[in-house]
Amino acid sequence: AQSVSQHNHHVILSEAASLELGCNYSYGGTVNLFWYVQYPGQHLQLLLKYFSGDPLVKGIKGFEAEFIKSKFSFNLRKPSVQWSDTAEYFCAAEGGFKTIFGAGTRLFVKA
Amino acid sequence: KAGVTQTPRYLIKTRGQQVTLSCSPISGHRSVSWYQQTPGQGLQFLFEYFSETQRNKGNFPGRFSGRQFSNSRSEMNVSTLELGDSALYLCASSFRLAGETQYFGPGTRLLVL
Repeated sequence: AQSVSQHNHHVILSEAASLELGCNYSYGGTVNLFWYVQYPGQHLQLLLKYFSGDPLVKGIKGFEAEFIKSKFSFNLRKPSVQWSDTAEYFCAAEGGFKTIFGAGTRLFVKA
Repeated sequence: KAGVTQTPRYLIKTRGQQVTLSCSPISGHRSVSWYQQTPGQGLQFLFEYFSETQRNKGNFPGRFSGRQFSNSRSEMNVSTLELGDSALYLCASSFRLAGETQYFGPGTRLLVL
């Protein structure tokens, strides 16, 4: 069955700390991978995406993610978080015009 | 350009009623996907439409249905509402080539009493 698992439901960090959010997927066939973010009071928006090629992809606001095919993982990273990164982060896998989202990780950054 | 719009934004219904939600995609986008978002289940895929054709659907009962019009606007319908249908229903549009970014609307919050 198709699924996306996010390792942490809640993460609390202090400003300047490094961030890594785990994401594993189970999806038969070709899959495209995404991280979306939802800031408080705003719509879901794309952070970054991976189709093919370089497994290290860079997104907006200093975020990056690494696709490791052998581990079926697509972890999100940021070397130094800011208070404004407080949001909910969703990993998603898309194939066959169907997108499966993970349960989301709520990140709270303390100023 | 204008983003994805959804109407109504809030809705209260009672069990057994039916409801229709509307989504207008970004101009030029031909694909519309619908999702149900709840605190316990997260975002769950309902269905995707492209050029008035449903190309994929999630694991929801037949009470959930949708359609897309020639102008790419889409509607979803839920018949015989149950308490568990209370959720935020999100619509997303894209050009819908493989792996296209989806642009999300603000959602319709449905409360079933």
